Amino acid sequence: ILNVEQSPQSLHVQEGDSTNFTCSFPSSNFYALHWYRWETAKSPEALFVMTLNGDEKKKGRISATLNTKEGYSYLYIKGSQPEDSATYLCASSHGSSNTGKLIFGQGTTLQVKP
Amino acid sequence: DTAVSQTPKYLVTQMGNDKSIKCEQNLGHDTMYWYKQDSKKFLKIMFSYNNKELIINETVPNRFSPKSPDKAHLNLHINSLELGDSAVYFCASTSHSLSYNEQFFGPGTRLTVL
Repeated sequence: ILNVEQSPQSLHVQEGDSTNFTCSFPSSNFYALHWYRWETAKSPEALFVMTLNGDEKKKGRISATLNTKEGYSYLYIKGSQPEDSATYLCASSHGSSNTGKLIFGQGTTLQVKP
Repeated sequence: DTAVSQTPKYLVTQMGNDKSIKCEQNLGHDTMYWYKQDSKKFLKIMFSYNNKELIINETVPNRFSPKSPDKAHLNLHINSLELGDSAVYFCASTSHSLSYNEQFFGPGTRLTVL
């Protein structure tokens, strides 16, 4: 059974703090790692897709890194703002002929206090 | 213009009833998915269709039957509803031309079985 684990489960920070969370995924037969941002009462929205070991992606104040050999990815938020409050999901996919089957972690819920 | 839409948004019904949830995407994607958000908040894949053909069928009770009349629609029919079917169901879509099957999600349908 393939499991994806995220930590911490929840996080409360002050506006302006930088923060990071972890996603651990099975390294065997790895295909891609996805990060999604999920605001309450909305649909999950894709942030990043990463595939190569050592990949780093950045979108504004949010960045992510990928280590496929040890099976982890970090998501960083620099200078958190209240609008960053959301649940951040990671998901991995595996196999050479990818069907798009994503295995999701439980998410890290971030609350940024003004 | 909602990219991936689901109807209804909320569904409250009695045990034993049969109900359907509809999903439509206007993104021109060729692959659609149904996910169930379980009690621990994980998104678990149930089914996937590519060009109206079933390509993923996880271990789901056969009371659940997906139907894809065309590439833009994937409906989920549930027979003889049970209490344990209460959950939020998410539809998603992707195209194999997109980067590593980045998926676009609908807003979810909250099903409550009484």
